[in-house]
Amino acid sequence: DTEVTQTPKHLVMGMTNKKSLKCEQHMGHRAMYWYKQKAKKPPELMFVYSYEKLSINESVPSRFSPECPNSSLLNLHLHALQPEDSALYLCASSQDLGVTDGPNYGYTFGSGTRLTVV
Amino acid sequence: GEDVEQSLFLSVREGDSSVINCTYTDSSSTYLYWYKQEPGAGLQLLTYIFSNMDMKQDQRLTVLLNKKDKHLSLRIADTQTGDSAIYFCAESPPWGQGGKLIFGQGTELSVKP
Repeated sequence: DTEVTQTPKHLVMGMTNKKSLKCEQHMGHRAMYWYKQKAKKPPELMFVYSYEKLSINESVPSRFSPECPNSSLLNLHLHALQPEDSALYLCASSQDLGVTDGPNYGYTFGSGTRLTVV
Repeated sequence: GEDVEQSLFLSVREGDSSVINCTYTDSSSTYLYWYKQEPGAGLQLLTYIFSNMDMKQDQRLTVLLNKKDKHLSLRIADTQTGDSAIYFCAESPPWGQGGKLIFGQGTELSVKP
């Protein structure tokens, strides 16, 4: 299995809703990432988990709450979002933080969850 | 500093070669990557090059790295309509710097039949 699976693919939520995005990988990768991407722009890093511990929080507002229940799963809990939070949310994984040898060069991205906040 | 720059648009005819260029500023980067993003999809890793290499070829793709000028290019031979997408170059800082990928702005490739 060489994929990162994200669910749901599309999500529409109101500003008072609570929802969660899910990400799963079974490649044995120990680093997992959340990125936010606006249309035709590069992905922006939000969070990095390494060995199930939060390693980087890029000053993301607290209405986004990440969780890593185990080495294969990564969640992003959403609460009280704003319309400007509408974007494609991408999950990625890599063998380890900054690993530059071994078979898994680069970062494997999921297909993303397209989030619309109304 | 960390900065990766790309031109925003490229238009080519089917069957021609496409060359997408990228410049980066962090000379300590170890790996440089090319990702492809089709409309509505995630990012697909196309190819990568280690910073001590000058060139890498993979079927229709050729990556050239000029480390002195910090210039990276991706050449797609015999470009097809299915190659229409946004192409991002990205650099990976050395070990210990958090695994953060630095992306360029992306080049939108349009292939006309």
